Amino acid sequence: DGGITQSPKYLFRKEGQNVTLSCEQNLNHDAMYWYRQDPGQGLRLIYYSQIVNDFQKGDIAEGYSVSREKKESFPLTVTSAQKNPTAFYLCASSAGQYNSPLHFGNGTRLTVT
Amino acid sequence: AQSVTQLDSQVPVFEEAPVELRCNYSSSVSVYLFWYVQYPNQGLQLLLKYLSGSTLVESINGFEAEFNKSQTSFHLRKPSVHIRDTAEYFCGRRGGKLIFGQGTELSVKP
Repeated sequence: DGGITQSPKYLFRKEGQNVTLSCEQNLNHDAMYWYRQDPGQGLRLIYYSQIVNDFQKGDIAEGYSVSREKKESFPLTVTSAQKNPTAFYLCASSAGQYNSPLHFGNGTRLTVT
Repeated sequence: AQSVTQLDSQVPVFEEAPVELRCNYSSSVSVYLFWYVQYPNQGLQLLLKYLSGSTLVESINGFEAEFNKSQTSFHLRKPSVHIRDTAEYFCGRRGGKLIFGQGTELSVKP
């Protein structure tokens, strides 16, 4: 079945360490997205990529980095510069057309202590 | 800037009662609107979408939403809710990137 796979489901890190969240899709979608979800704040866009080897900052990109070397993969690195990294992270993809809905993975819950 | 506002953060309702989750969007020439549902510790699932055409759109599990251009609204309704409808619901609009409202937590009680 086609879909988006995020791994791991739960991730624990010590403060000061960088951590990379995986996102893979086999939907042949051009566009991919990373959102951060915090209680009571909805979803906020971190980064998005509309094509391989290109990506743009979203609303809260500071402290995060991404790469898009393959169409299927869009990993997100949470760096030590991110002041409040504990959150639920969601990856999504879309066909790229202006009105296409997004398809979401099941998320990674990151806890930094 | 484009925006989406969900007017209620929490909606408690009894089973088999009707429910309406309210969503307003900022006006634009082209509007593509979506409702997503999120169950605990899961990703978002597309519930229904409005792209063009009929202003009333329906999902397979009994939800419907009506696009109202004059009121810039896209409220989600269900005439009779079940316990399994308990979840968080997000309204979104597409215009390049997808912008979400803050979410509405629907809690269905027996």
